[in-house]
Amino acid sequence: GENVEQHPSTLSVQEGDSAVIKCTYSDSASNYFPWYKQELGKGPQLIIDIRSNVGEKKDQRIAVTLNKTAKHFSLHITETQPEDSAVYFCAASLSGSSGSARQLTFGSGTQLTVLP
Amino acid sequence: EADIYQTPRYLVIGTGKKITLECSQTMGHDKMYWYQQDPGMELHLIHYSYGVNSTEKGDLSSESTVSRIRTEHFPLTLESARPSHTSQYLCASRTGTGTDTQYFGPGTRLTVL
Repeated sequence: GENVEQHPSTLSVQEGDSAVIKCTYSDSASNYFPWYKQELGKGPQLIIDIRSNVGEKKDQRIAVTLNKTAKHFSLHITETQPEDSAVYFCAASLSGSSGSARQLTFGSGTQLTVLP
Repeated sequence: EADIYQTPRYLVIGTGKKITLECSQTMGHDKMYWYQQDPGMELHLIHYSYGVNSTEKGDLSSESTVSRIRTEHFPLTLESARPSHTSQYLCASRTGTGTDTQYFGPGTRLTVL
């Protein structure tokens, strides 16, 4: 099955700096890679996702890059703000028809702290 | 904003009690999931369902059981709660076709004394 490794487990940055979280996956068939943000006391919320047919996707201060050859993908947050402090999870799955699709496999999470 | 709800949000209960954690979604999603989240943050899939009358066990063995009698409802039951069941339980759902976006509920924090 799929295995997703996420690094680092904790990350502290100064407000305004950039933060990068990296994930690697094992199954080359995986084609869908979402990122979730979990604030204290809440469930994870999808913040951005990328499919294997593109190498990069941006949404304001958040970007995700994908290297299919190396089987790794990264989350980039620029101009970090205190409200970016949360736990971030990467995930990977094979999307498609019900017969071939697989559930999301999550990374172990990164606690991001943005220091004012 | 996802329309997926969990009740109760917090539950403190004694050992041996039977409990049911409720999860419901109003998006008409076929696929629903239960995750257990340990203090180390990792999400562990314990049950999933691809539709009415379909339930499967996830990657992490769990003493809980689930049922899916209606599309919108996916309750999780512990027949006899133990301290080892203390954890955060997260419910999620996604449509069976098209987008792969998975939506999570707010979670239930269970403490068994």
